[in-house]
Amino acid sequence: DTGVSQNPRHKITKRGQNVTFRCDPISEHNRLYWYRQTLGQGPEFLTYFQNEAQLEKSRLLSDRFSAERPKGSFSTLEIQRTEQGDSAMYLCASSLAVTTEQYFGPGTRLTVT
Amino acid sequence: AQRVTQPEKLLSVFKGAPVELKCNYSYSGSPELFWYVQYSRQRLQLLLRHISRESIKGFTADLNKGETSFHLKKPFAQEEDSAMYYCALSSGSARQLTFGSGTQLTVLP
Repeated sequence: DTGVSQNPRHKITKRGQNVTFRCDPISEHNRLYWYRQTLGQGPEFLTYFQNEAQLEKSRLLSDRFSAERPKGSFSTLEIQRTEQGDSAMYLCASSLAVTTEQYFGPGTRLTVT
Repeated sequence: AQRVTQPEKLLSVFKGAPVELKCNYSYSGSPELFWYVQYSRQRLQLLLRHISRESIKGFTADLNKGETSFHLKKPFAQEEDSAMYYCALSSGSARQLTFGSGTQLTVLP
């Protein structure tokens, strides 16, 4: 197991297009988190899953953002009708439910032109 | 609402000098605090957490509830310590992390 993986690593898209990112957590981790990081800032929490249940989604930035974790394994984050302000690094992290230590993936860098 | 403040965006020290990266927090509950580090071209990784009270790579951090601080310290900085450091607070049933804006540490030869 090489840790949390994210695909793609980079995505360039035109304004108005939809994009989807994938996160594969560490296999035995039942918690999965999505964060967004903009230039000069620390990561900002977006949403989290415990197994397949999305237990916190109030911090998603708008209704254009949605996330799924259909079988409690990998997760996808979709942004519809992208805007230039969506350009950022999107990070995924996973953890065991019994700990607070989160392991981060390498991130997907989104550029909206 | 919880908040984490790292007042220094950039910090430079010479090799062998002591280093202190400042972190202050605001949180109404009992905080759980962490330091994460990101080396150049690498992913964010946990450096240490206040619960374990351990020293990692010579770094220590003490939670001061009176001053609401969790400063990161190392007595003798090394060039390989150059990296971005983030202070973070875990909260809520989700245990999501609230991060500071980070401090870029450069250790000069």
